[in-house]
Amino acid sequence: DIQMTQSPSSLSASVGDRVTITCRASQNIFSYLNWYQQKPGKAPKVLIYGASKYHSGVPSRFSGSGSGTDFTLTISSLQPEDFATYYCQQSYSVPLSFGGGTKLEIK
Amino acid sequence: EGLLVESGGGLIQPGESVRLSCAASGFTVSSNSLAWVRQAPGRGLEWVAVIFREGRTHYGESVRGRSTISKDNSKNTVDLELSGLRADDTARYYCARGLTAPGTNYYDLWGPGTPVTVSS
Repeated sequence: DIQMTQSPSSLSASVGDRVTITCRASQNIFSYLNWYQQKPGKAPKVLIYGASKYHSGVPSRFSGSGSGTDFTLTISSLQPEDFATYYCQQSYSVPLSFGGGTKLEIK
Repeated sequence: EGLLVESGGGLIQPGESVRLSCAASGFTVSSNSLAWVRQAPGRGLEWVAVIFREGRTHYGESVRGRSTISKDNSKNTVDLELSGLRADDTARYYCARGLTAPGTNYYDLWGPGTPVTVSS
């Protein structure tokens, strides 16, 4: 099974900051990497799929990059509504798996 | 766009079984893969099971051997039956639709989830 490791597990930042979250797969997953955002009490929402493709309606301040085993999610200028928990997920092989999550908090 | 609504959760005794149901609208389960993902209180997301369009199924390690995912195309629903419930099965269970794109696949639509609490 493929293990997904996210870092950091938590992050404090201010509105307007640029932040980067990393995700590492235990084996090559090519570009089968998705990023989700989850707010408290809500279901997750997909932001980025295929490592770098925007899901419909996602603001351009979010971007994804990487391939193989190392991936990043970058938020170029944090907005108040971006404070949430972010998860990476590999969809290369079953069982699919999520990273442990990165909780983004207001500094 | 589509909508997913889960039901069937509640307070369950250890060792018993639960059958969760996911009702889809705005699209057909026969044309998509559907999955269950769970989240224990204060914890991260855990992939549980998937049923593909053609009916093939796969399960996560923590539920393999004691769970069954199935779908009813006529009712447009996907169910998850989990037996031998343990305290660590306590979680909110989400249903999610799989979308296939060139070179990848991802979950583009999620239900609000149904809570399962395993306790005596």
